[in-house]
Amino acid sequence: DTAVSQTPKYLVTQMGNDKSIKCEQNLGHDTMYWYKQDSKKFLKIMFSYNNKELIINETVPNRFSPKSPDKAHLNLHINSLELGDSAVYFCASSQASRGTATNEKLFFGSGTQLSVL
Amino acid sequence: RKEVEQDPGPFNVPEGATVAFNCTYSNSASQSFFWYRQDCRKEPKLLMSVYSSGNEDGRFTAQLNRASQYISLLIRDSKLSDSATYLCVVNGGWYGTASKLTFGTGTRLQVTL
Repeated sequence: DTAVSQTPKYLVTQMGNDKSIKCEQNLGHDTMYWYKQDSKKFLKIMFSYNNKELIINETVPNRFSPKSPDKAHLNLHINSLELGDSAVYFCASSQASRGTATNEKLFFGSGTQLSVL
Repeated sequence: RKEVEQDPGPFNVPEGATVAFNCTYSNSASQSFFWYRQDCRKEPKLLMSVYSSGNEDGRFTAQLNRASQYISLLIRDSKLSDSATYLCVVNGGWYGTASKLTFGTGTRLQVTL
């Protein structure tokens, strides 16, 4: 009964391919995120969704397209993969709401290590 | 200036030692601050939140200095199990109900026998 689960854990693929990473949370949270952690361990937000609606979209190439079929799921599809996309991608969720700072805690999935060859 | 800056370390300390990490942030409007812990090849997990001047939880003490825009984490009586990377995290703003948390690159701690 993992709180935030993402699949696959490892993804090895060739340049130019299209791939997807799936994420599900069973915490009942309204807000979900995708973060990217590069080879220098820098963790950077990519997207955030609240109840299926996109609310944060950082400067990410449009080859990356998040999709949220419902508030418990946030998937990440990547087209035309490039070498520089190699990283660990973390899904996260929170029950954040302004004025309730204790709910800002992020719950992360275990990460998907993407290697583009 | 980076939004959140930390000394990457590594800090190598013997068991039982006291160690302190500092972190500086650039956005003076930030209201909430956190320390996350990340073990090798694992996901980050919340260690402590810092909302006022400081917070203490057992061997861990976090302090906030808004005037100088820095946060510190003090670990007393270090254990081998404290070995990890400690990420300083700052709320860079709210977007509806999503908080845009900005992570530092982390400070690596290695506790030795």
